[in-house]
Amino acid sequence: DIQMTQSPSSLSASVGDRVTITCRASQTVSTSLNWYQQTPGKAPNLLIYGASNLQSGVPSRFSGSGSGTDFTLTISSLQPEDVATYYCQQSYSTPRTFGQGTKLEIQ
Amino acid sequence: QVQLVQSGAEVKKPGASVKVSCKASGYTFSSHYMHWVRQAPGQGLEWVGIINPSSESTNYARKFRGRVSMTRDTSTSIVYMELSGLRSEDTAIYYCTRGPWGTSTEDWFDPWGQGTLVIVST
Repeated sequence: DIQMTQSPSSLSASVGDRVTITCRASQTVSTSLNWYQQTPGKAPNLLIYGASNLQSGVPSRFSGSGSGTDFTLTISSLQPEDVATYYCQQSYSTPRTFGQGTKLEIQ
Repeated sequence: QVQLVQSGAEVKKPGASVKVSCKASGYTFSSHYMHWVRQAPGQGLEWVGIINPSSESTNYARKFRGRVSMTRDTSTSIVYMELSGLRSEDTAIYYCTRGPWGTSTEDWFDPWGQGTLVIVST
């Protein structure tokens, strides 16, 4: 199974800050890497698919990059509604696997 | 709009089985694979398996093989996930979530059902 490791596990930042979350795969996943946002009590929501494609309806302050084993989710200007836990997930092979999550808070 | 609506919460005793339903609407049911993902309390996301609603072929995560069964009813656009031999570690929210049109490779999950809480307790 492909192991996905996110860093950091938690993060505190101020409104307007640029925030970066990284995700590393234990072996190549090409660009088969997705990012999800989950707010408390809600189902996850797709933000980025195929490493860098912004899902329809997702604010443009979210962006993704990377290929192979190293990926990044960036929020260009943090907003209060971005408080959530973020997960990366690989779809290169079965079983699909997720990172452990990054909990983002506002300072 | 595309919607996945799941059945309500369940409380089961250890050793019992649970069957969770997921009703799809707003799209061609047979054209999108459906995945099941679970989340234990306060924990991360774990993939359970996938079903092709067109052929009813399935693929399950190794840790669930022998205990999980995914089926579908094309007449009602419902997919089911049944988990048997329940133990306390199966206490979790179970989500159904749709893959993109026509593929089960290099896919992504969107949208998600609202989740079904399954509690396993004596």
